[in-house]
Amino acid sequence: QLQLQESGPGLVKPSETLSLTCTVSGGSISSSSYYWGWIRQPPGKGLEWIGSIYYSGSTYYNPSLKSRVTISVDTSKNQFSLKLSSVTAADTAVYYCARRLGIRIDYWGQGTLVTVSS
Amino acid sequence: SSELTQDPAVSVALGQTVRITCQGDSLRSYYASWYQQKPGQAPVLVIYGKNNRPSGIPDRFSGSSSGNTASLTITGAQAEDEADYYCNSRDSSGNLVVFGGGTKLTVL
Repeated sequence: QLQLQESGPGLVKPSETLSLTCTVSGGSISSSSYYWGWIRQPPGKGLEWIGSIYYSGSTYYNPSLKSRVTISVDTSKNQFSLKLSSVTAADTAVYYCARRLGIRIDYWGQGTLVTVSS
Repeated sequence: SSELTQDPAVSVALGQTVRITCQGDSLRSYYASWYQQKPGQAPVLVIYGKNNRPSGIPDRFSGSSSGNTASLTITGAQAEDEADYYCNSRDSSGNLVVFGGGTKLTVL
């Protein structure tokens, strides 16, 4: 059974960079056809797609976040990562890592709350 | 702003049928997927493609699409179906992913 687990700091200061890692177990991140991505959900609000990466390194980002987002993959560790720079309080959210096949997102991590505060 | 539009809230009497809709221009070209999210939990995929259910999803959940509107239908809603429901699909360019704003379903 595929499992995804987010890890990283739960508190980030304004203007700094948010960094999260997703560890994939029970399957290979190098499997063809699958995209690996990040989705966030501010408290009490809806889901927002941040971006996705293919194991080859091809990336796709939400245009509203593109200037601040970097998603990378480490196939040797079966991990992929998110960096979001110049964060503000508006970036406070539960961040989910997930696997996407086509348009469907079939596996999600449990989510991790990241709070932006000084 | 989302390119997919959902009604913020819908209610249904226990055992009755409810339809949750998702509208957007990209739905004329691409299918939507549907997710159920209960408080404090990650979303769960319930419908994808034309009308496909992942293993473990009850058959009271079904999907359909017409024009620019995708629909999730729950036939015989149960108390445990009370949750937020989100649709997602591709954006109008076809390259990116978008989510609808979500629909809060209340089972009365």
